[in-house]
Formats: sequence, structure tokens, C-alpha cells
Amino acid sequence: QKEVEQDPGPLSVPEGAIVSLNCTYSNSAFQYFMWYRQYSRKGPELLMYTYSSGNKEDGRFTAQVDKSSKYISLFIRDSQPSDSATYLCAITRPGGYNKLIFGAGTRLAVHP
Amino acid sequence: DAGVIQSPRHEVTEMGQEVTLRCKPISGHDYLFWYRQTMMRGLELLIYFNNNVPIDDSGMPEDRFSAKMPNASFSTLKIQPSEPRDSAVYFCASSLTGQGGNQPQHFGDGTRLSIL
Repeated sequence: QKEVEQDPGPLSVPEGAIVSLNCTYSNSAFQYFMWYRQYSRKGPELLMYTYSSGNKEDGRFTAQVDKSSKYISLFIRDSQPSDSATYLCAITRPGGYNKLIFGAGTRLAVHP
Repeated sequence: DAGVIQSPRHEVTEMGQEVTLRCKPISGHDYLFWYRQTMMRGLELLIYFNNNVPIDDSGMPEDRFSAKMPNASFSTLKIQPSEPRDSAVYFCASSLTGQGGNQPQHFGDGTRLSIL
């Protein structure tokens, strides 16, 4: 079993839709949870990170962590064509804060 | 401010040749990471350095791969001899000391490597 599971998609939505991206992880001891966005032929860039369970909001983006279910989500409100990218979840193990474990990435296309 | 700079952007070479990928981290960052991204395996950490010292190379696939960081502003990843299964996009990233996401890793735009 992979440590982080993520549906690779692709996911295609109309502009303005609410997008939900999800990952599950295997070890309840994992501590930091991040979402990276990767545009085509570019490196990933950090969108959001969380440490504890609950929600964290930044503009149109909300990151949610449910440690009891070992489930993390990224919601995008009012999606825009510029949100079209691959979204990767990433986690860290305790004591391995610099060693990111990435999900497979979900490819998102937002069409006008 | 310049980001992480990788060179070359693209490399096409024949099996058996030596390949050297280069990275210049963001000035002042004390961590440097090398990743490999493929469709099959996703984004995998190969090795990372702290203050120019290799800390964890457990992701390096085999002895054909080696990485060095001779100073704070330069690192190389070398494959010798190269094989077709090494074809991938190789990313370099750098960060400041921190925990998890509170000191994000900044990625370069990668080197797209094709081994024929």
C-alpha cells in the first residue's frame, strides 16, 4: 500500500465550479500536510500547508485535514481556467520534516 | 529574486553516456533536494543536502546515480552510465530550515531527460 493515495484524474469542470481534490494516507503519525500546484512543464509550487485537523482558508482555496480518517482535501471555489494544473498532496513523517512524500497528483482542467 | 535554476532544461543522449544535471539553489537556502518525476512513480525524493552535506540518499535508485554539492550555490546530479529507464523529469528544490510546510520547498523548472 502506498503511503499517500491520490486519484490522478483527470478532472474536468466548467469555470465557476467548486472543485474537490482528495488524498488518503496510511500512517496516522504523519504530521504536516501540503498541497502543491504544478503547471505544465513547470516545477511544483506550494499552495497551502496545515499541521492539525480542521480547515485552513486562503482566498478561493480551502485545505481540510481529517486525521481520524487519514483524509486530506483541497477545495477550490469559483474555479478559473488559470487553475488548470496538476495538484499534488504531500505529507511528512514525524522527524522527517524535510522529506516530502507526494501523492500521484490530480490533473485538473477548468474550461470556460 | 531569482528562483532555483536548473540546467540544461532538456537533455537527450544515448544509453551508456554520462549525464550531468546542474542546480543553483536560491541564495541563503540551506537545504537542497533532488527529485525525479515519472508518470509511473510520480515525484520521488532522491537525495537531500543540508549545508552542503548529504543527509539522506535513500531514494537514489542505484550506484549509477551520484550527487554532489561542492558549495552553497551549486549542486550536480550525475548518472553514469545512463539507461533508458532513467528518462524522467529531474527537479531540484531548495528551502530554509523549517518544519513541514512552514518553510516551503521552492522547485526549479526541471530537466527533461531522455535516454535513447
